[in-house]
Amino acid sequence: QVQLQESGPGLVKPSQTLSLTCTVSGGSISSGGYYWSWIRLHPGKGLEWIGYIYHSGGTFYNPSLKSRVSISVDTSKNQFSLRLSSVTAADTAVYYCARDVAKDWFDPWGQGTLVTVSS
Amino acid sequence: DIQMTQSPSSLSASVGDRVTITCRASQSISTYLNWYQQKPGKAPKLLISAASTLRSGVPSRFSGGGSGTDFTLTISSLQPEDFATYYCQQSFLIPRTFGQGTNVEI
Repeated sequence: QVQLQESGPGLVKPSQTLSLTCTVSGGSISSGGYYWSWIRLHPGKGLEWIGYIYHSGGTFYNPSLKSRVSISVDTSKNQFSLRLSSVTAADTAVYYCARDVAKDWFDPWGQGTLVTVSS
Repeated sequence: DIQMTQSPSSLSASVGDRVTITCRASQSISTYLNWYQQKPGKAPKLLISAASTLRSGVPSRFSGGGSGTDFTLTISSLQPEDFATYYCQQSFLIPRTFGQGTNVEI
């Protein structure tokens, strides 16, 4: 079955850009008509949807983050990536990638990766 | 954005107990409501979609209900593996939003 795995630096300095990659295995990122999303879990708070991408490159972002977020896809590597610019401590969170089914529910999810913003 | 409010935020229960978690939306979302289970250090797992559709492989002791603004997730007989945090999520409007979570502990 499809599995997702996040990778990237666990520590980012304030004002810099957070970059993460999600590798999809067990299925093609280009098939099935699925979207591919990033979601984060703030410590002590809830989950926040960041945005999604389609294999063709079409994207949609959470308006609260839109000015700082970019999601891209590399179908040849079966990967999609997140870039979040001008980070602050408020961006410290566990970041998850997930398959986005019909812009409705998320299934499955990656294991998540903790990113800490600190100097 | 649609605000999703879960109650309680945490609860203590015993094996065999019937447990109900409530999720309330700040506006009507029809049945565009999904439930997830998350165990410590693990990825969230989809349990129920469209308010009441049990996903494949999810035990039948889990059930979901509701429409409009008020929804429930019920575990009919709590099992040791059910101790986890549960989240609701609306898909009626973008941005999709989640409840703050309900921690079910022993």
